[in-house]
Amino acid sequence: ETGVTQSPTHLIKTRGQQVTLRCSSQSGHNTVSWYQQALGQGPQFIFQYYREEENGRGNFPPRFSGLQFPNYSSELNVNALELDDSALYLCASRVSGGALRTGELFFGEGSRLTVL
Amino acid sequence: AQSVTQLGSHVSVSEGALVLLRCNYSSSVPPYLFWYVQYPNQGLQLLLKYTSAATLVKGINGFEAEFKKSETSFHLTKPSAHMSDAAEYFCAVSDTGNQCYFGTGTSLTVIP
Repeated sequence: ETGVTQSPTHLIKTRGQQVTLRCSSQSGHNTVSWYQQALGQGPQFIFQYYREEENGRGNFPPRFSGLQFPNYSSELNVNALELDDSALYLCASRVSGGALRTGELFFGEGSRLTVL
Repeated sequence: AQSVTQLGSHVSVSEGALVLLRCNYSSSVPPYLFWYVQYPNQGLQLLLKYTSAATLVKGINGFEAEFKKSETSFHLTKPSAHMSDAAEYFCAVSDTGNQCYFGTGTSLTVIP
């Protein structure tokens, strides 16, 4: 069983640039969510995708956007990068629907973004 | 609205001693509760979860947690700490599973 994989693992951008982070969900999982984890903090929910549509969003501005593809993989896009966007971005996948609704998340190892 | 409070951002225990990491939650509906562990430069790994079945939940690596509704707590314990338990631990709460609210984490140090 393939777990959640994310790319790139590390990247450096400058303020004002745009970044795209990618995530392949665990086999059989149809729901992907993204979290931002600032240094020394717990993960903060950015948004979730199910059936290629966003179906939940945290307190993040519109310059944070995403996509989910038919194979359930996902992208997180961040425009107009700010210094405070420096963080570990975690992708998590799970199964939604039916009897299995416990919400257990399976995380990738994250993409560490540094904004200079 | 849901939230999680983890008491103690840093906990140190001797190897072989009891581990107790505290978590209190706030939820307007019966919650799903989780403990995750994060090792340096890695993602989060599920230790255990509470989903309204047994109130005492057993997880991986000898960890367990007890759901106490009257105290709105879900503390994590392990009878005997091992050096490999040193990591960051996060408590999280979810209602329908659409969004997980995480605490700020507790860093566990194990002293040999």
